[in-house]
Amino acid sequence: AQTVTQSQPEMSVQEAETVTLSCTYDTSENNYYLFWYKQPPSRQMILVIRQEAYKQQNATENRFSVNFQKAAKSFSLKISDSQLGDTAMYFCAFAEIVSGGSNYKLTFGKGTLLTVNP
Amino acid sequence: DTGVSQDPRHKITKRGQNVTFRCDPISEHNRLYWYRQTLGQGPEFLTYFQNEAQLEKSRLLSDRFSAERPKGSFSTLEIQRTEQGDSAMYLCASSPGGIRNYGYTFGSGTRLTVV
Repeated sequence: AQTVTQSQPEMSVQEAETVTLSCTYDTSENNYYLFWYKQPPSRQMILVIRQEAYKQQNATENRFSVNFQKAAKSFSLKISDSQLGDTAMYFCAFAEIVSGGSNYKLTFGKGTLLTVNP
Repeated sequence: DTGVSQDPRHKITKRGQNVTFRCDPISEHNRLYWYRQTLGQGPEFLTYFQNEAQLEKSRLLSDRFSAERPKGSFSTLEIQRTEQGDSAMYLCASSPGGIRNYGYTFGSGTRLTVV
């Protein structure tokens, strides 16, 4: 079974600064997908970014980028130019492919609560 | 279409009662997933459907839990004889296809409190 570990329960950053959230995972699979989801207070979970394991290039979405180290099984999220609206719980998730490759289910870490201070 | 809808948003029930939650996925999404999130934890997989077929169930889903997706549209999750340990946020998500699609779309969840 896959496991996902987020070692930082809480983090804070000043507005406009950069912050990095850590995530490690354990798997015996070679081809898989990793995700970061954001869950603002009392709001629904939103996909931030995803990474395909067979791609060496790190994924980037505007101010969000990842540092994917496959050998180390590490998948950190960097948020640049932090904004007040980035305050949320951030979950790292591993996608396990099921049903012959046509479906997948996610294993989530426990999350990191990020607070952006003005 | 306004995304994945879940009803109710909050449910308080007495221990031993039955409860049912509903999820309406995005209309063109044929995959539907149920997750459970307890306080301080990430969501945990419960079950998923492709169209009307329930393809996998987690061992977390005891005999008191049942999920259906008649006609491949909305889905219901029923918990019979609720216990205090069932208190959690129940999340529904949908996707239009497999892993190459850009992740799930989650609903806002149903928060269950068993007293």
